Amino acid sequence: DVKVTQSSRYLVKRTGEKVFLECVQDMDHENMFWYRQDPGLGLRLIYFSYDVKMKEKGDIPEGYSVSREKKERFSLILESASTNQTSMYLCASSMPFGSNQPQHFGDGTRLSIL
Amino acid sequence: EDQVTQSPEALRLQEGESSSLNCSYTVSGLRGLFWYRQDPGKGPEFLFTLYSAGEEKEKERLKATLTKKESFLHITAPKPEDSATYLCAVYSGGYQKVTFGIGTKLQVIP
Repeated sequence: DVKVTQSSRYLVKRTGEKVFLECVQDMDHENMFWYRQDPGLGLRLIYFSYDVKMKEKGDIPEGYSVSREKKERFSLILESASTNQTSMYLCASSMPFGSNQPQHFGDGTRLSIL
Repeated sequence: EDQVTQSPEALRLQEGESSSLNCSYTVSGLRGLFWYRQDPGKGPEFLFTLYSAGEEKEKERLKATLTKKESFLHITAPKPEDSATYLCAVYSGGYQKVTFGIGTKLQVIP
């Protein structure tokens, strides 16, 4: 089974802090994704990566950056946290584009910015 | 732009009362339709992939079907443990992102 592990289930940070969310997958997947999920808005794509050191913006990249130095690890960085970034953050991984295979998700990080 | 609409937004069933969830989609060329189950406070769990109209997949009390415009998730004789939010998503190929619906929140009452 695919295992996607997010480093924290719950996180509380203060406005203006730099926040790091970590994600590791164990299936040697090429693609990795970061989403945020908010009530009534569904899943929104922040960034994705299709290879080491490669990244692409999703629908809502403002205020975020990402890092992928190793194939199995994908980090999401909130450069200067703001209260409107309070949300559930979900990491996912998948086989390469064109394989038509589903994404597999971690259990999420519930982030609160005070 | 790909679009996914799920209905109803919420559904309450008595244990044993069968029903269906709907996922209507608009894509330029469907390469895959995915169903997920999401429990409160957890990430989506993959259930099924459907690739072409007429295809069906089954798992326990769940059966997913696909036409050219929509997919149905049929739940037969549901149990309380089937309570969850069910998400539908479509993929139109290449570097196109996967588009998710908002989901249907299912509650099964004992």
